[in-house]
Amino acid sequence: GIQVEQSPPDLILQEGANSTLRCNFSDSVNNLQWFHQNPWGQLINLFYIPSGTKQNGRLSATTVATERYSLLYISSSQTTDSGVYFCAVISNTGNQFYFGTGTSLTVIP
Amino acid sequence: EAGVAQSPRYKIIEKRQSVAFWCNPISGHATLYWYQQILGQGPKLLIQFQNNGVVDDSQLPKDRFSAERLKGVDSTLKIQPAKLEDSAVYLCASSLGFQSDTQYFGPGTRLTVL
Repeated sequence: GIQVEQSPPDLILQEGANSTLRCNFSDSVNNLQWFHQNPWGQLINLFYIPSGTKQNGRLSATTVATERYSLLYISSSQTTDSGVYFCAVISNTGNQFYFGTGTSLTVIP
Repeated sequence: EAGVAQSPRYKIIEKRQSVAFWCNPISGHATLYWYQQILGQGPKLLIQFQNNGVVDDSQLPKDRFSAERLKGVDSTLKIQPAKLEDSAVYLCASSLGFQSDTQYFGPGTRLTVL
C-alpha cells in the first residue's frame, strides 16, 4: 500500500508560537485529510484537502499533489492544540485510507 | 446533528474470550469504517462498508475478526477468540459518500486483553 510519513514526530512549542507539520506520501492520491487526536483519543477532522490550500481560523493546510506532500500550519498555538496530528490518504490506485505516523504536539503555557 | 456513537467505551477480557463492539454512524452516512489503533500508532483500516456491502476488508484478520452492517446503518465488529495483541482502541468512522468525503470518528472502544 501507499506509504505515508509525517514529520517531525514530536514537537514542543511555547504558547503563541507557530509551527508547520509535514505529510509525505509515496503515490498519487485522490483524498487527503488532516486529523487532530486530542489527549482523550477523539479524532477530529481538520481539513479535507487532496489539493490546494484551505484555511480555518488559526489553521491552514496546503497540498501539493504533484510533489506528493501536504503541510499543516498552526499559528498562535494554544494549549488546546496539544495532541497528535495525523494525515490520511487514499491513493489513486486504491480504495482504502492509510494513516501517517503522526506528529505529537505539546503546547506549553 | 449527532455524531458517531460507539459502545462500550471500555472492555477488559481474557485471551481466548470473545468480544463485540457496536457502532451507530451519523444519520444518512452511507460509508462506515472500522479501524484498529494500537498505542503510539496511527489508525489502521480493518473493514469498510458502503451501505451494507463490504468495499474492502483486506486488512481484517478473518480467522478471528468479523463485521457486519445489517440494513446499512449500525455495525458490529466481533473478535473471537481474542489474543493479547488485539489490545487496542477500535474506532468507527462514517462518511456521507465513498472515498471523496470527510470522515467523522466516534470516541472509540478501548480493549484490553489479559
